Amino acid sequence: QSVLTQPPSVSGTPGQRVTISCSGGGSNIGSNPVNWYQQVPGTAPKLLIYDNNQRPSGVPDRFSGSKSGTSVSLAISGLQSKDEADYYCAAWDDSLNGSVFGTGTKVTVL
Amino acid sequence: QVQVVESGGGVVQPGRSLRLSCVVSGFTFSSFGMEWVRQAPGKGLEWVATVSYDGVDKYYADSVKGRFTISKDRSKNTLYLQMTSLRDEDTAVYFCAKESIPVGGLYYGLNVWGQGTTVTVSS
Repeated sequence: QSVLTQPPSVSGTPGQRVTISCSGGGSNIGSNPVNWYQQVPGTAPKLLIYDNNQRPSGVPDRFSGSKSGTSVSLAISGLQSKDEADYYCAAWDDSLNGSVFGTGTKVTVL
Repeated sequence: QVQVVESGGGVVQPGRSLRLSCVVSGFTFSSFGMEWVRQAPGKGLEWVATVSYDGVDKYYADSVKGRFTISKDRSKNTLYLQMTSLRDEDTAVYFCAKESIPVGGLYYGLNVWGQGTTVTVSS
């Protein structure tokens, strides 16, 4: 049972902007940086956003992260068919003394 | 190039042991923390364990604490996950991953992942 809650699915048409929410608590999102991963089914996850809103080299600026209190969001602008994947938030949890992943969100491009 | 390659997965009976290995290359192994993350069939990602850059600090998910041991062998550029008392619910693809920030990058994500090795616990 993950302590970080995400919507199971979001969808949008090509070119649209979609957002994925991730809700946690004071011991994880409220206290530590949040990272986002993209996983195309059958492949390894890929780091998309780290430290709440930083993009690793090579990640297009269509992807952006934001944080407010104990919640974070990932926004994908200019949605493309290749963005179809599962997306996970993750953070360190001070109470658990370990890392936690979100429940995951499947993005579908209509 | 920077890469990590897992091996050691397989089919094992409940209660038995298995050791996973992850050979790394292309970066200074002794400068980065490493982690194991697993994914059960059709399920989401689950963090399993973390070892600090110097191999001193180790952290485990409650679900594996006392049964799994993470370790680094810097002379072999290899990360290990020793798994004992395996249970049906340990069945998953196990990914090895490198922290993105050196020396103390516990909080800043995993930027290099292997393709995973499959562990199936079944009688």
